[in-house]
Amino acid sequence: AAGVIQSPRHLIKEKRETATLKCYPIPRHDTVYWYQQGPGQDPQFLISFYEKMQSDKGSIPDRFSAQQFSDYHSELNMSSLELGDSALYFCASSLGLGQGAHGYTFGSGTRLTVV
Amino acid sequence: KNQVEQSPQSLIILEGKNCTLQCNYTVSPFSNLRWYKQDTGRGPVSLTIMTFSENTKSNGRYTATLDADTKQSSLHITASQLSDSASYICVVRDNFNKFYFGSGTKLNVKP
Repeated sequence: AAGVIQSPRHLIKEKRETATLKCYPIPRHDTVYWYQQGPGQDPQFLISFYEKMQSDKGSIPDRFSAQQFSDYHSELNMSSLELGDSALYFCASSLGLGQGAHGYTFGSGTRLTVV
Repeated sequence: KNQVEQSPQSLIILEGKNCTLQCNYTVSPFSNLRWYKQDTGRGPVSLTIMTFSENTKSNGRYTATLDADTKQSSLHITASQLSDSASYICVVRDNFNKFYFGSGTKLNVKP
């Protein structure tokens, strides 16, 4: 079965650079969630989208932005990167409304290292 | 292989009734287990966190149990309310700070 695809798997950037992380949800899933897990920390909810509209916002810094596209994939854009942005970024997808599978599926994450 | 499995996948109950959600895991070495409530499209809300030595923990109408020997946890909701309608996700953390997510149980409480 298809899973949530995140790309890239690993990313190394320098301070003040920008990075774009991508998340491709399970086919037919219309809801996407982004989480950030810093070293030794619990995952923190960043932002979510339902039907291409932002549905909730967590602890996402102003330097970050995200959107969900017409094909339901989502991109997390990170600018002016700081050393503290080094973390594992998870994406999850689910089917928001309607019948069928409602389970959440998490991607394996993108590990961002800022040097 | 480290996994977290939740059951049932979805559940419909009448308002005022009780229900129990299950979480079985194979994650090792085990650090802790959390239950989250998540409304569609919204961020998760932590309900309970349980460590190896804890068997039961309550948070209002929510009571979580953990059997570390059988690697099973349950979340019991008492006197359900319409606002309990949400997905409940079980997340297990290992000793290497890696998190394993269940696919959730979608609870629908009907009047």
